[in-house]
Amino acid sequence: NAGVMQNPRHLVRRRGQEARLRCSPMKGHSHVYWYRQLPEEGLKFMVYLQKENIIDESGMPKERFSAEFPKEGPSILRIQQVVRGDSAAYFCASLGGQGAYEQYFGPGTRLTVT
Amino acid sequence: GENVEQHPSTLSVQEGDSAVIKCTYSDSASNYFPWYKQELGKRPQLIIDIRSNVGEKKDQRIAVTLNKTAKHFSLHITETQPEDSAVYFCAAFRDDKIIFGKGTRLHILP
Repeated sequence: NAGVMQNPRHLVRRRGQEARLRCSPMKGHSHVYWYRQLPEEGLKFMVYLQKENIIDESGMPKERFSAEFPKEGPSILRIQQVVRGDSAAYFCASLGGQGAYEQYFGPGTRLTVT
Repeated sequence: GENVEQHPSTLSVQEGDSAVIKCTYSDSASNYFPWYKQELGKRPQLIIDIRSNVGEKKDQRIAVTLNKTAKHFSLHITETQPEDSAVYFCAAFRDDKIIFGKGTRLHILP
């Protein structure tokens, strides 16, 4: 799981700014999940993407949040006009593909909104 | 949709004793049940998993059991050690979607 990369590891934004979180899956993995974890809480599913496709975004707020996984480059979770409630750890996990089960997590991005 | 309940939320055991964490799930079509360990400030790490066609799986001091009829599965850690202190999450997976329990904070007492 050391192969899943996320950056930045820490991100500080003022209210109203935009946050961009990047995730590069393990080599050979084409599926990415994003999760949000509030302090002392569990992992909440946000969105599941394949290359160039959003498969399931049922856990993502309809406003201000968007995600993409382009053909080339990392998956990006974008939060516009951040608010204090967006402060959390955001983890991505990669999966080998449909029919694979094991998810491997990246180190997370800790977003702090001031 | 799937709902995963996990108990207890906090567990303290004496070093060397066993720890058991239990989870229930609601969707009988869920077919894969991983357990993750998360140390403070770190990423969740997969420690053991079980598929729905298996009742039990063991890896050294860690074992997982699955009762499909009752829709519950459990994590068993034997001969606990200080490095077992962490938060443990169970999860249920179906159709490319994984739902996590809220976690159990395990404290190993000296």
